[in-house]
Amino acid sequence: DAEITQSPRHKITETGRQVTLACHQTWNHNNMFWYRQDLGHGLRLIHYSYGVHDTNKGEVSDGYSVSRSNTEDLPLTLESAASSQTSVYFCASSESSASGRGETQYFGPGTRLLVL
Amino acid sequence: DAKTTQPTSMDCAEGRAANLPCNHSTISGNEYVYWYRQIHSQGPQYIIHGLKNNETNEMASLIITEDRKSSTLILPHATLRDTAVYYCIVRAAYGTYKYIFGTGTRLKVLA
Repeated sequence: DAEITQSPRHKITETGRQVTLACHQTWNHNNMFWYRQDLGHGLRLIHYSYGVHDTNKGEVSDGYSVSRSNTEDLPLTLESAASSQTSVYFCASSESSASGRGETQYFGPGTRLLVL
Repeated sequence: DAKTTQPTSMDCAEGRAANLPCNHSTISGNEYVYWYRQIHSQGPQYIIHGLKNNETNEMASLIITEDRKSSTLILPHATLRDTAVYYCIVRAAYGTYKYIFGTGTRLKVLA
């Protein structure tokens, strides 16, 4: 069955280190998204991509980067991890279509990141 | 994207219908209403979405008012496993595919 996976599921790192979180989907969806979730804030959009080589900043993009070299993967990189980036990170994907219909996002299981 | 307003928390007795309201008074004509839920710290789970008409699937029903300024998610026979945070999201059908999440409604189903 098609799915969306994230790795690692749990990560502990130190401030200043570079960290990359992986997201892989097998639905062949064009659109992929990264969110972070913190208490009191719900889910906030970090970066998103509408296709290969396309990336866009979301509402909380500072300190994060993404690259899209193929359809299946959208890795999220924390260039220099900070304690404020301790959070749960969710990846999602959706189809895009010319019909104009709203397209449903499907979420991965999440990665818990602790920055010490 | 239009913003949404939901109550912070609600309780519902097991076996009864859970009715979760959402206000989206600034919604525009091409914006869909989506509902997701999140159980514990799992990834958000899609429930249902609609544009103008009421919708029903195996999980829930979605009632959208005629002026589209509010909607209600109905879980017809709530179970303990329906305890979760429920998010109402409004997003455009064209161009931008991103969601803007609010803080959701924490539904607690009581035995």
